Order: sequence, then structure tokens, then C-alpha cells
Amino acid sequence: DQQVKQNSPSLSVQEGRISILNCDYTNSMFDYFLWYKKYPAEGPTFLISISSIKDKNEDGRFTVFLNKSAKHLSLHIVPSQPGDSAVYFCAARLGSDDSWGKLQFGAGTQVVVTP
Amino acid sequence: EPEVTQTPSHQVTQMGQEVILRCVPISNHLYFYWYRQILGQKVEFLVSFYNNEISEKSEIFDDQFSVERPDGSNFTLKIRSTKLEDSAMYFCASSGPRDGRQETQYFGPGTRLLVL
Repeated sequence: DQQVKQNSPSLSVQEGRISILNCDYTNSMFDYFLWYKKYPAEGPTFLISISSIKDKNEDGRFTVFLNKSAKHLSLHIVPSQPGDSAVYFCAARLGSDDSWGKLQFGAGTQVVVTP
Repeated sequence: EPEVTQTPSHQVTQMGQEVILRCVPISNHLYFYWYRQILGQKVEFLVSFYNNEISEKSEIFDDQFSVERPDGSNFTLKIRSTKLEDSAMYFCASSGPRDGRQETQYFGPGTRLLVL
């Protein structure tokens, strides 16, 4: 089941610069997308989300962009900080009456922010 | 800030034994979930639970698995007869308080289960 894909397993970025993480999906029935951050031996921590009726959502240093026609979303982190070093997961939820919130996750992108 | 808690943080068990993983969801949430992540693989959905019954389950969630909300605060996942391939990190999540489908899921820190 590869409906949510993160094709970059890793990303290295300099402190202060922009981190751009990408996520592609195949199911046009997804109606809600989320980004989670995960440190080793911890649970995923919610970062930011976007509904399929929007194309952009911003929260502090984090902005998520959604391109429905391309079935693509991205997470921008500006400026990147050393504490942002973690694995970032993209997740999507089906917008059907038969779905009760099941999230489908991408494989994750390991971000390393260097000084 | 309210958070989802899970116990134990680590569990080692012998194949064939029963295990119960415990979760305390965020107090005003109404929708509860279990996910797992096998080492090196994606986070996978197991089951969702609402109004004291399972609302959706994955193919992984076979007859060996069960969930329960025994009281007003705990949410448990039981594996009746563990297999080696059940070794994974198990995450509990919750959402709500109203229309859970529109709400973000918040995850607990996980229980690392090792089946020997």
C-alpha cells in the first residue's frame, strides 16, 4: 500500500536556511493531510495540517502547501534550527463516510540541520 | 498541555504469550486509534475505536488482536498469542472532541514490544 510517498529518505540543511520536504499521494479521496515530526524512541508529534479545500496553511516557521492537481504537498521550515533535526512524516486521511480517521503514512524523511 | 500516555514503555515477551498495551488518551477526546511501526518500516494503522466499538480495522488486526476501553480513561490493545512478527513499536493516538474525522490525531510515546 504505497498511497503516500516520501521519496527523499534524507535531507541535510544548514541552520537558518529553508528546509523543504515533499510528499506525493495517489488517492484523490484523501481530504486531510498532516505532517508529524518524530524523534528516536518517541511518538510522532503533530506539526501542521491542511484540508484539501485549501492550498496553504502557515503556523510560525512551518508552512504546508497542497497542490491537488499534482497530488503533491510540501512542508517548508524557515528558518531551520538544530532542534528541527528529526524524521518528518507526511500522513493523509480518506474523506469517505466509510473511513473513521485512519491515517496513511509516508516512509519519512530524516532531516539533519547542521550549524 | 494534555498528552496521550502509554504504558509500559518497553515489553519483552515470549512467543505465544498474551500482552496488554495500555494507553490513556487525551481526556476530552472521543476517537481512539492504535498504530504500529515495525523497525525500518512505515507507521501502519491497526484499528480505530469510537463509542465503545471498533469503527475500522486493518488487515493486520486479526483475531489475535482486541481493543477495549475498560473505564473512562484507559484504552487497551491486547495481543492474545504473540508472534515474532508482532515485534514493533505500538502507538496509541486520540482525536476529538467532536467530529473526530475533522480532528488531528495526537500520538503517545509508544510501547516497544519485543517478542522472543
